[in-house]
Amino acid sequence: AQKVTQAQTEISVVEKEDVTLDCVYETRDTTYYLFWYKQPPSGELVFLIRRNSFDEQNEISGRYSWNFQKSTSSFNFTITASQVVDSAVYFCALSEGSNTGNQFYFGTGTSLTVIP
Amino acid sequence: EAQVTQNPRYLITVTGKKLTVTCSQNMNHEYMSWYRQDPGLGLRQIYYSMNVEVTDKGDVPEGYKVSRKEKRNFPLILESPSPNQTSLYFCASSLLQGVGGTQYFGPGTRLLVL
Repeated sequence: AQKVTQAQTEISVVEKEDVTLDCVYETRDTTYYLFWYKQPPSGELVFLIRRNSFDEQNEISGRYSWNFQKSTSSFNFTITASQVVDSAVYFCALSEGSNTGNQFYFGTGTSLTVIP
Repeated sequence: EAQVTQNPRYLITVTGKKLTVTCSQNMNHEYMSWYRQDPGLGLRQIYYSMNVEVTDKGDVPEGYKVSRKEKRNFPLILESPSPNQTSLYFCASSLLQGVGGTQYFGPGTRLLVL
């Protein structure tokens, strides 16, 4: 079973629209961390956010916001007033384990295209 | 500049010819890891290392070897590459040894095995 599910393979929006990227995760650990990364067309992986399992507060950073809900095992990412530069593949990831083992699981990614 | 470097960036090889992809970080990070990225499959962890001389398998370790003799270096070795190892490979490092460290990625190595 997938540890991290990003059901939306591709999304297209028109510039200035809001868009939400979904992420559902699965873990039995009580301590875990969730991440979002951006992969623009140039190919590098850019860290966006890290959230631990004990902090369910939503976070906002400029046009980006994240909604973490343990009850539904979701960590969704919203871009407000999208711009062409937001076009990229976005990955959600889960880190679980302990001090003796620490694995990282990525979702399959959501490709976002923002149309000018 | 703090960074993770990988070499080579592009590599074409033939089945069975041993190759090594190097990875180096200058941030004194404890944790290092290798991933492969394939269309429709996202990134999958191959191996990781929580410290010098400590390595562990990720999700897809078959056909790969790693070593961590020094803190800064974590080479990925393909002893006998096969076409199904054609992929985009990323090395990453994290300050934290344990769970939750933010990983910073190298630029990627695109490998084609003929």
